[in-house]
Amino acid sequence: NAGVTQTPKFRILKIGQSMTLQCTQDMNHNYMYWYRQDPGMGLKLIYYSVGAGITDKGEVPNGYNVSRSTTEDFPLRLELAAPSQTSVYFCASLRSSGNTIYFGEGSWLTVV
Amino acid sequence: GNSVTQMEGPVTLSEEAFLTINCTYTATGYPSLFWYVQYPGEGLQLLLKATKADDKGSNKGFEATYRKETTSFHLEKGSVQVSDSAVYFCALYKDNQGGKLIFGQGTELSVKP
Repeated sequence: NAGVTQTPKFRILKIGQSMTLQCTQDMNHNYMYWYRQDPGMGLKLIYYSVGAGITDKGEVPNGYNVSRSTTEDFPLRLELAAPSQTSVYFCASLRSSGNTIYFGEGSWLTVV
Repeated sequence: GNSVTQMEGPVTLSEEAFLTINCTYTATGYPSLFWYVQYPGEGLQLLLKATKADDKGSNKGFEATYRKETTSFHLEKGSVQVSDSAVYFCALYKDNQGGKLIFGQGTELSVKP
């Protein structure tokens, strides 16, 4: 059971660099989410998607972009990395008629 | 809008003590409610859930009851162990609110031997 797969698990970026965090789920879930978790803090919703071709901003979307061209994939793009984006990023998915959320294992990102 | 409020941590207990972590929510109708646990350096794991009023979720000795009248979903365990040391997150999901999944701020639990 693959579930929700995130890559990479760890990454160090320099200020101003760009990168994409990949998220794939194999459960045919409609809803997908990206969260960030800062040290000692809770989860903040960055973006979410209720289906292919549909994305919406969460609480903290600035500095990020997403796309949802397929049901399976929901990549998160950082265009100009800033130290404030140092965080742990979690992808999650949910079937719209279900009530169990599946999380990826997290991606630890450091911007220096 | 929908929101989740948890009691602030850190909570420090001795082994075998009774645990309560408060969680209250704001939402119309009947959201699904969850408790997630995050062990140090790891991702989030579902601990338990409840999908309708008066449901009781339970797992690994933890319990939480969905109380519509008090809009609460407090997490309890009768006798905590050192291995229960983690951060606990309460979360809410409501299908007809655009699919948003809302988390509380998390409560850190530290259990001492």
